[in-house]
Amino acid sequence: DGGITQSPKYLFRKEGQNVTLSCEQNLNHDAMYWYRQDPGQGLRLIYYSQIVNDFQKGDIAEGYSVSREKKESFPLTVTSAQKNPTAFYLCASSDTDRESSPLHFGNGTRLTVT
Amino acid sequence: GQNIDQPTEMTATEGAIVQINCTYQTSGFNGLFWYQQHAGEAPTFLSYNVLDGLEEKGRFSSFLSRSKGYSYLLLKELQMKDSASYLCAVSDSNYQLIWGAGTKLIIKP
Repeated sequence: DGGITQSPKYLFRKEGQNVTLSCEQNLNHDAMYWYRQDPGQGLRLIYYSQIVNDFQKGDIAEGYSVSREKKESFPLTVTSAQKNPTAFYLCASSDTDRESSPLHFGNGTRLTVT
Repeated sequence: GQNIDQPTEMTATEGAIVQINCTYQTSGFNGLFWYQQHAGEAPTFLSYNVLDGLEEKGRFSSFLSRSKGYSYLLLKELQMKDSASYLCAVSDSNYQLIWGAGTKLIIKP
């Protein structure tokens, strides 16, 4: 079955450490996205990529970095510069050929930084 | 600024009907999406509206009025498994999604 896999499901880190969240898709989608979800707020876009080797900052890119070396993979690094990294992180992909293309989400990674 | 408003929480009874509203103010409009999200899980796509009117899909229907900046999701014959958060998202003039904070729906027996 096609889908998006995020790993790990839960991640714990000490303050000051960088951490990388994995996202892999086998849907053959060109576009991939990283969102952050916090209680009481809508999803906020961190970074997105519409094609391999290219990506753009979203609304809250500060303290994060990404790479898109392969179509299937879009890892997110949460750096020590991110002031409030504890959150639920969602990776998504979409078929960009149609305006009505919905996002397909992974099951998320819950990051806790202490 | 761009804004999506949804009620924070709603409660309904198993077997009943519930309507979840979403109002939006965005720079441009290229469609409105509804997603369902169970606690700790991924959001899953429910519906897409770009023209005014009602789209029916089984027990779920979604309505759009572009002139009023308004949509609702209608859930019929509620089941316990419908307990979840329902997210409204609007695609703006740049095809970027603007998300509401979600409505937590609690179903009681």
